[in-house]
Amino acid sequence: EAGVVQSPRYKIIEKKQPVAFWCNPISGHNTLYWYLQNLGQGPELLIRYENEEAVDDSQLPKDRFSAERLKGVDSTLKIQPAELGDSAVYLCASSLGGRAHEQYFGPGTRLTVT
Amino acid sequence: QQQVKQSPQSLIVQKGGISIINCAYENTAFDYFPWYQQFPGKGPALLIAIRPDVSEKKEGRFTISFNKSAKQFSLHIMDSQPGDSATYFCAASSGSGAGSYQLTFGKGTKLSVIP
Repeated sequence: EAGVVQSPRYKIIEKKQPVAFWCNPISGHNTLYWYLQNLGQGPELLIRYENEEAVDDSQLPKDRFSAERLKGVDSTLKIQPAELGDSAVYLCASSLGGRAHEQYFGPGTRLTVT
Repeated sequence: QQQVKQSPQSLIVQKGGISIINCAYENTAFDYFPWYQQFPGKGPALLIAIRPDVSEKKEGRFTISFNKSAKQFSLHIMDSQPGDSATYFCAASSGSGAGSYQLTFGKGTKLSVIP
């Protein structure tokens, strides 16, 4: 069974530029999560989707961050414009409905903003 | 406000020794306590988890000990191997209420097992 797929794996951009991350969850997983992981820290939830609906986006900085999950499968996380402090690893995870405690993570996208 | 406190930040153990990582939580609504293992360049992977109705859970060389009254839980890795070298995160979540199913992670423990 394929795991959670994320792309790109690495991204280097200049500040004020836009950037987008893509996630393909495990087949059949209707819950999808985006996390932010700073160096030496644990993941912090940005947004959670149940199918195509964002059910928890309270920690998403909506002035510059946006996300979408069309058709309840793949998801895209966007930052526009990026700031130096956005440099981090962006992780995507997914889980089965009713088993939200068991989340499966992708390898992440490491973003460097210069 | 950090709801899950993890210690130590780093740990060096000799091969064959016991690795012990501790976590403490504040929110009494938490009802699920997983541990995740993360290798460099990889995402966290679920290692083992426990619910507060049991005091201990063992899977192979990995054991979670849970103390509900003290609001503490720990991971024990028996017969530690160099392949166990990774960063370990404790986490907690609740199945109801605001933020349900949201995993709150500790800051992580970098474990190095030396031959």
